Amino acid sequence: AQKVTQAQTEISVVEKEDVTLDCVYETRDTTYYLFWYKQPPSGELVFLIRRNSFDEQNEISGRYSWNFQKSTSSFNFTITASQVVDSAVYFCALSGPPLFNDYKLSFGAGTTVTVRA
Amino acid sequence: DGGITQSPKYLFRKEGQNVTLSCEQNLNHDAMYWYRQDPGQGLRLIYYSQIVNDFQKGDIAEGYSVSREKKESFPLTVTSAQKNPTAFYLCASTASYSLNYGYTFGSGTRLTVV
Repeated sequence: AQKVTQAQTEISVVEKEDVTLDCVYETRDTTYYLFWYKQPPSGELVFLIRRNSFDEQNEISGRYSWNFQKSTSSFNFTITASQVVDSAVYFCALSGPPLFNDYKLSFGAGTTVTVRA
Repeated sequence: DGGITQSPKYLFRKEGQNVTLSCEQNLNHDAMYWYRQDPGQGLRLIYYSQIVNDFQKGDIAEGYSVSREKKESFPLTVTSAQKNPTAFYLCASTASYSLNYGYTFGSGTRLTVV
């Protein structure tokens, strides 16, 4: 069974502060994919990043960075110098190996980030 | 532009009624999915379809039904058997070559029982 845990329900920061969102996952698969999605108030989920289990390189995209540590089954997400537009719900998700085009995602409960001006 | 269209954006259902949520995609994706979102619980998979005329139950299929008669369409019916249907429903699609970019999600339908 696959499980994704986002222990932080809500995080509130002041603009320009850094914020780190934790994600811990459980899976028996040796090949798997990890995702982060952003859900702004409009409701649509916006794809941020995908990482496969064989690629443990950390990644930076603008003010966003991700730290994948297989040893601790974690895939944490950091927003540097946060802005009000970063206010949203962020979801971490896990998918098993693609099998007959079966890419079911298991989602964490989400972390609500509020950035105050 | 390609994408997923969900309609309606808001839907109200009376007790005992069946309602159908629409999901249409023009991305030529093979696989489509329905997720339910409740506050504090993340997204849970209701049904998914990997190919036309075929679909499988997800984790919370009871009280729901789907059809996949066309590649671009995957409607979800919330039946009267679903005892707590008030939630936000998201439709998604993906194709094997696009997994590198994750799923594409629709903008959702918010269903409320009145």
